[in-house]
Amino acid sequence: GQNIDQPTEMTATEGAIVQINCTYQTSGFNGLFWYQQHAGEAPTFLSYNVLDGLEEKGRFSSFLSRSKGYSYLLLKELQMKDSASYLCAVTDSNYQLIWGAGTKLIIKP
Amino acid sequence: ETGVTQTPRHLVMGMTNKKSLKCEQHLGHNAMYWYKQSAKKPLELMFVYNFKEQTENNSVPSRFSPECPNSSHLFLHLHTLQPEDSALYLCASSQGWDRGADTQYFGPGTRLTVL
Repeated sequence: GQNIDQPTEMTATEGAIVQINCTYQTSGFNGLFWYQQHAGEAPTFLSYNVLDGLEEKGRFSSFLSRSKGYSYLLLKELQMKDSASYLCAVTDSNYQLIWGAGTKLIIKP
Repeated sequence: ETGVTQTPRHLVMGMTNKKSLKCEQHLGHNAMYWYKQSAKKPLELMFVYNFKEQTENNSVPSRFSPECPNSSHLFLHLHTLQPEDSALYLCASSQGWDRGADTQYFGPGTRLTVL
């Protein structure tokens, strides 16, 4: 079967750095997405990785290792507004998007 | 009007009711999606329309009936639902042809409660 694993919940401190991991086992790979979803709101696109390495976008970075079936989302200089769920999703060989259950990130002052 | 909109935002219905959810996208996209989101579970893809043609139906019960009259509008008709159908229903759209990097843009969802 196809599977995306990410931690259910993480807690971090305002101003700190947090890394949210995602591991996947899918039939093929055509890219990995990270989305942010605030409670009661729409998921919003954060990043897309299809090649190995680190993609940086402001305070957020996303890393991919295809050989390890692994990605992480790195959030720097955490702000209270970063409290949200972070969803990892992988496009498989049939271009189906397989979703993880999301990681709820709690930021404490 | 921007992005993807959904109405209503909240819906409470009895098991014998018939209701419809509406989604509209203002992004010029060609693909539209219905997802079900339950607490602590991955998003469940229900239906996909690409250029108004239904391309996915992930074994969804017939009490959910989609309709896509054009590439900007998507409906989900509901009838004789069960309490376990209570969830957040999300609509999304995407370009529809950049298959690998086909980023989906989501609406705010309809919070459905079935009594």
